[in-house]
Amino acid sequence: AQSVTQLGSHVSVSEGALVLLRCNYSSSVPPYLFWYVQYPNQGLQLLLKYTSAATLVKGINGFEAEFKKSETSFHLTKPSAHMSDAAEYFCAVSDRRTGNQFYFGTGTSLTVIP
Amino acid sequence: KAGVTQTPRYLIKTRGQQVTLSCSPISGHRSVSWYQQTPGQGLQFLFEYFSETQRNKGNFPGRFSGRQFSNSRSEMNVSTLELGDSALYLCASSPDSYEQYFGPGTRLTVT
Repeated sequence: AQSVTQLGSHVSVSEGALVLLRCNYSSSVPPYLFWYVQYPNQGLQLLLKYTSAATLVKGINGFEAEFKKSETSFHLTKPSAHMSDAAEYFCAVSDRRTGNQFYFGTGTSLTVIP
Repeated sequence: KAGVTQTPRYLIKTRGQQVTLSCSPISGHRSVSWYQQTPGQGLQFLFEYFSETQRNKGNFPGRFSGRQFSNSRSEMNVSTLELGDSALYLCASSPDSYEQYFGPGTRLTVT
């Protein structure tokens, strides 16, 4: 079975500082990996996805993530945090064998300090 | 293209009642998935429909059911509501390319 672990349920960074949100997955086969962002009272918005092409994936709003098979990780980064980045972030994995069944991490709440 | 739409956005029901939530996927998307989001349990997968057939199902009791119509619109139904069913219910559509696009959700409050 698939599982996703997000280390740190709450992360605080200063405006302009590096954002690093951690995600590790457990999968017996290389999965598809995703990062989503959720703003209050809204649905989830796709930030970026890894589907076995380039291991460094660039997404919207300046975010990127690197797939590291040896570490089973897919950490999300942004060089310089902006106040508008404050939100809940979810890492998700889908099993290629079952298609659209997604498994989500428990989420990381990002606070940006002015 | 218009995004995923969910109706209603907010709903208040009483214990024991039943409720039906609706989801209209992005045009051309044939897969619709439903999720329950609560502060304690996070995002939990309910079920997925593809071309009117349930393709995957999560670990929820039989009180939770769904269906998909020929135009890909989907409904989920919860019968005999319990207080613990209070949650944000999210619908996601997919063109079956392994990425999902989410709607804004329906906030269900059970009193």
